[in-house]
Amino acid sequence: AQSVAQPEDQVNVAEGNPLTVKCTYSVSGNPYLFWYVQYPNRGLQFLLKYITGDNLVKGSYGFEAEFNKSQTSFHLKKPSALVSDSALYFCAVTPTGSARQLTFGSGTQLTVLP
Amino acid sequence: DTGVSQNPRHKITKRGQNVTFRCDPISEHNRLYWYRQTLGQGPEFLTYFQNEAQLEKSRLLSDRFSAERPKGSFSTLEIQRTEQGDSAMYLCASSLAFGQVDEQYFGPGTRLTVT
Repeated sequence: AQSVAQPEDQVNVAEGNPLTVKCTYSVSGNPYLFWYVQYPNRGLQFLLKYITGDNLVKGSYGFEAEFNKSQTSFHLKKPSALVSDSALYFCAVTPTGSARQLTFGSGTQLTVLP
Repeated sequence: DTGVSQNPRHKITKRGQNVTFRCDPISEHNRLYWYRQTLGQGPEFLTYFQNEAQLEKSRLLSDRFSAERPKGSFSTLEIQRTEQGDSAMYLCASSLAFGQVDEQYFGPGTRLTVT
């Protein structure tokens, strides 16, 4: 069975500084990997996905993520954080060519301080 | 494209009562998913439809839970004889099967409180 670990419950970063939200995964075979963001009282919003190819994936709102197969990681990054980036971030995985169900991590609360 | 909608947004019920939630997916999406999210956790998969066929069910989906998508459009999730442990946010998502993997678009959720 697949699993996702987000080792940090909370990440604080100053506005304008780079941010990283960490994610590691475990899956049989090759993974499809996703990042979603959740704002209060709103649904999960898709940010980006990795399927195959270039290990650096670019997504919405200036976010990007780097796939590292040897470290089984898919960390979310942004070069310059905004206060409006403050939200709950979830990493998710599903095995290639397998079930459609996403397995999510427990989430990381990102707070960008002005 | 009005997005995925869910009704009601909040439901408070007494233990032992039955509840039903509705999900309206994005209109052209042929796949529909139900997840459950408890406080401090990520969403957990419950079940998945392709058109009107229910193709997967999690072991989390006990006999008290049933989901339908009768015409391949909206879906309902019913919980019979609710228990306090059923209190959670129930999320619906939809996707359009295309290419290698489809992105799931989530609704705002229905928050269930069982008293």
